[in-house]
Amino acid sequence: SAVISQKPSRDICQRGTSLTIQCQVDSQVTMMFWYRQQPGQSLTLIATANQGSEATYESGFVIDKFPISRPNLTFSTLTVSNMSPEDSSIYLCSVGQGPGNTIYFGEGSWLTVV
Amino acid sequence: GENVEQHPSTLSVQEGDSAVIKCTYSDSASNYFPWYKQELGKRPQLIIDIRSNVGEKKDQRIAVTLNKTAKHFSLHITETQPEDSAVYFCAATLDTGRRALTFGSGTRLQVQP
Repeated sequence: SAVISQKPSRDICQRGTSLTIQCQVDSQVTMMFWYRQQPGQSLTLIATANQGSEATYESGFVIDKFPISRPNLTFSTLTVSNMSPEDSSIYLCSVGQGPGNTIYFGEGSWLTVV
Repeated sequence: GENVEQHPSTLSVQEGDSAVIKCTYSDSASNYFPWYKQELGKRPQLIIDIRSNVGEKKDQRIAVTLNKTAKHFSLHITETQPEDSAVYFCAATLDTGRRALTFGSGTRLQVQP
């Protein structure tokens, strides 16, 4: 399976600031996704990161709040903008890989907004 | 879009007993159904998956069954051990290679020694 590295792994952020999370994969992958997991909850898809074009956002998530970049087939960033305590979550990068497009997750970025 | 419902939300069993977690999905086009285990403070890890061309798949103490007609699939864990304690998520998607997973709400499994 792909090795998926996320940075930062954990951070405490001030209200109103922005933070960019990086996702690096050790091999080229077609599909990269960003999920959010709020405390004690399931995983919710934020957007699909498309290489060379704008990300595709799910209902309830907008580009101004969660801008995403995907400059190549191994790297993506997610920015959480103008953070509020409600943004305190785990943010997970995931990729599809293999003949069956199995989905794997990065280690996650644990954000606490104070 | 796809909607996945998962039951129960919590499950407590004695060590050595079996555990069953059930999921239903709404989109009849979905054809790929993975299960993930998430231990506290860790990422979700794929433990088993099934595609719509088979009805059952086993891997040691873990098995998954799929009923496409009824649009439901289940995770079966036999001979449970304390290290099986975790949150389990089911998911579904149409596996075109370009669709993300839709997750169930999760089941917290507690195996009592």
